Amino acid sequence: KAGVTQTPRYLIKTRGQQVTLSCSPISGHRSVSWYQQTPGQGLQFLFEYFSETQRNKGNFPGRFSGRQFSNSRSEMNVSTLELGDSALYLCASSRQGGVDGYTFGSGTRLTVV
Amino acid sequence: ELKVEQNPLFLSMQEGKNYTIYCNYSTTSDRLYWYRQDPGKSLESLFVLLSNGAVKQEGRLMASLDTKARLSTLHITAAVHDLSATYFCAVDGLSSGSARQLTFGSGTQLTVLP
Repeated sequence: KAGVTQTPRYLIKTRGQQVTLSCSPISGHRSVSWYQQTPGQGLQFLFEYFSETQRNKGNFPGRFSGRQFSNSRSEMNVSTLELGDSALYLCASSRQGGVDGYTFGSGTRLTVV
Repeated sequence: ELKVEQNPLFLSMQEGKNYTIYCNYSTTSDRLYWYRQDPGKSLESLFVLLSNGAVKQEGRLMASLDTKARLSTLHITAAVHDLSATYFCAVDGLSSGSARQLTFGSGTQLTVLP
């Protein structure tokens, strides 16, 4: 079966710009969560969506936002990019509750210059 | 706030040897996951542990969960070079209602030497 698809794979943006990342979950998975991975902070939870509702948000500034569509696809947006936003952004999909685990996409590597 | 501590952070071991990676967490949880990450790649799911006493094995890797001790272990048997990677444990905690989130350990960078 198709896995979790993240696009684009790589992005280079300039400070102050904004960026939108996309995540298509595994068919039948209604929960999508986003994580940021950096060498300094490791893997950190950004937010989780289920049935188009944000159920949970991590400790990130309001510049980080997201949404989920009726087909469960999700987007995250980062506005007014800062150098520190350079990271690997991973999305994970799961059935409700993570009983079957969380499957991660290949990630989007964002570089802010 | 849930904290997850993994140790060791770095592990060099010779092929054929055994070793254990430890994952301690600070608050009650009954769901723990192990992932593998190769350089520049995403997270590959290894094990899903959903109850106290759960033990799962796949090849040379075996994971267990003790929810009372808030401890999971990942045991490597007769290591081979292909196991070189970074291993993460992640604890699935309820934050509010049914909203869950994974809290990750810092990762264990494993290098298997010939």
